[in-house]
Amino acid sequence: EVQLVQSGAEVKKPGESLKISCKGSGYSFTSYWIGWVRQMPGKGLEWMGIIYPGDSDTRYSPSFQGQVTISADKSISTAYLQWSSLKASDTAMYYCVRPSYYGSGSYFDYWGQGTLVTVSS
Amino acid sequence: EIVMTQSPATLSVSPGERATLSCRASQSVSSNLAWYQQKPGQAPRLLIYGASTRATGIPARFSGSGSGTEFTLTISSLQSEDFAVYYCQQYNNWPLMYTFGQGTKLEIK
Repeated sequence: EVQLVQSGAEVKKPGESLKISCKGSGYSFTSYWIGWVRQMPGKGLEWMGIIYPGDSDTRYSPSFQGQVTISADKSISTAYLQWSSLKASDTAMYYCVRPSYYGSGSYFDYWGQGTLVTVSS
Repeated sequence: EIVMTQSPATLSVSPGERATLSCRASQSVSSNLAWYQQKPGQAPRLLIYGASTRATGIPARFSGSGSGTEFTLTISSLQSEDFAVYYCQQYNNWPLMYTFGQGTKLEIK
């Protein structure tokens, strides 16, 4: 069974750094892309970026390029999303996702349980 | 950049009735369109991919249609558990990009 298990909720102050994680299991971690989706309080879904753990190829949404860093440690089947200096506007639920492909399309059939990040002074 | 627009923002329907949700793309996405359901406090769940293929375990009352720029999610006979927020999503492989619509909240009338 494919599972994506995320790290727990975080409460941070503006300016602090943070790294949250997503551990994949039940499939070959290095053979599938794994990505991140943001959901701000009461708002919709926004795709942030994605990484291929097999070779660390990473792509970002233009909206998030330079704002976050996505990485992966294939030795422990874990992907990461990190911030070097958090802002209050980073307060959101963050989901890791694993895409599958259909024809020329792609969709997210596996989702982590979400990690709530709260940034407040 | 492709923009996905969902309508209406909120849809009020009685249990047992049919619900029709729309998603429009700013340019053609062929059939590269997926639909998700999100209930409060839960992660989204994939319902439909390839515009019309139901994901594993999704009841037959959910159906998707459309291609190009106009897409529809139809729920044929609403059950109490169907009241939720629904999102459409498209995929571009160059540059690699996933884009969600802003969501439609399906509420009980």
